[in-house]
Formats: sequence, structure tokens, C-alpha cells
Amino acid sequence: KNQVEQSPQSLIILEGKNCTLQCNYTVSPFSNLRWYKQDTGRGPVSLTIMTFSENTKSNGRYTATLDADTKQSSLHITASQLSDSASYICVVRSTSGTYKYIFGTGTRLKVLA
Amino acid sequence: DTEVTQTPKHLVMGMTNKKSLKCEQHMGHRAMYWYKQKAKKPPELMFVYSYEKLSINESVPSRFSPECPNSSLLNLHLHALQPEDSALYLCASSQPDANYGYTFGSGTRLTVV
Repeated sequence: KNQVEQSPQSLIILEGKNCTLQCNYTVSPFSNLRWYKQDTGRGPVSLTIMTFSENTKSNGRYTATLDADTKQSSLHITASQLSDSASYICVVRSTSGTYKYIFGTGTRLKVLA
Repeated sequence: DTEVTQTPKHLVMGMTNKKSLKCEQHMGHRAMYWYKQKAKKPPELMFVYSYEKLSINESVPSRFSPECPNSSLLNLHLHALQPEDSALYLCASSQPDANYGYTFGSGTRLTVV
């Protein structure tokens, strides 16, 4: 069964600290993996997208990694800011010919001053 | 233009009302999607349109009726909704092969009273 699991479910950190969010998936065959940031009550905004051949991709203070062998991805946030408080969703796409993306349940991050 | 625009941003409707949600994109994407998202849950796929034709209906109740008038517009017609239909409704678009993921709109916050 295609699944995407994220951990931790929620996380509280102090402003300026770094953190790492995890995403494990069983989606096969794999096409791409995307990390989204979703503020409460708003639509998800793409942070990074990674295909099978990519190991690391950065977007400002956000760095995503992908290990296609172990089917794991991480999102590392450097020097966190209050505005990083949001839900972070890992979404995996299969090449199996449908339009469906498999969503993780998300990690709710709270950054405190 | 790299955005998906949803209107209205907020909607309150009674159970006997008829209302419509609108979604528009001008990125040339030929696949468009409706998602429903409850609080603290990942988005759930409702409908997929590909080249203006309905390709996926995730067993959504008939009180939700999608429409794709052209390649840039996607509507969701609402009739006789229930309070449990209150949620954030997200529209997204992508290229048909979806290799680059979705672009989401900001959502419509729907409250059924």
C-alpha cells in the first residue's frame, strides 16, 4: 500500500535553532517527492521538489534530502524564524499513471521567540 | 503568472443554499484538482480534471458538483451541504504528467450552518 509517514507529528523549537523533519514513504514506483509549507487556513506552498536522481536540494534556509534506496527524505530548516511556524507536508508522486499524489500527515512546527 | 487563484476566500452558507467555488490558473496547466482539507489533516482528493474532462471522482457525494468550463477555470458547485462539509477547499493545477508537482491555491474556507 502506498503510504507516506512523517515525523515528528509536532515540534516546538526556539527562534534561531535548526530542526529536521522526516518523511518515509512506501510509494512505488517513485516519481518525485515534494515538500510543502502550509500556514493555517491557507493553501500549501511548494518548498522543494526532488526526483529519483537528486540527493539534496536547497531553497534558502530549507534543505531537502532524498535517499531513494531507503525511501526516506528529510527537510532541514536552518536558523528558524517565527514565520517558519506552519505545517510541513511531504507529498510523493508515483509513476503509476494516475494523477494522485500521496500526502503525508504533516509535521506541525511552532517556532517560539 | 504562476498562481492559482481561488474565490471566495471565505464562505458561510446554509444547508439549503446553492453556492459555487471558483478556481483559475493561467500557467497552461491541463490538469486541475479539488481537495478537501479538515483541520490538522492532510488534503483529501475529491476530483481531477484532465484536458477539461473529469478523470477522477473519489466517490464524492453528489451535493458537490465540479465543472471545468475551459482549461483555465475550475468550479465546484455546492448544494444542500451538511455541517460536516465545513472545511478548507483547495484547488490545484499541474501539467498532466504531474512530474513537477502541484501548484495550490490559497483555498476557500467553507462553513456550513
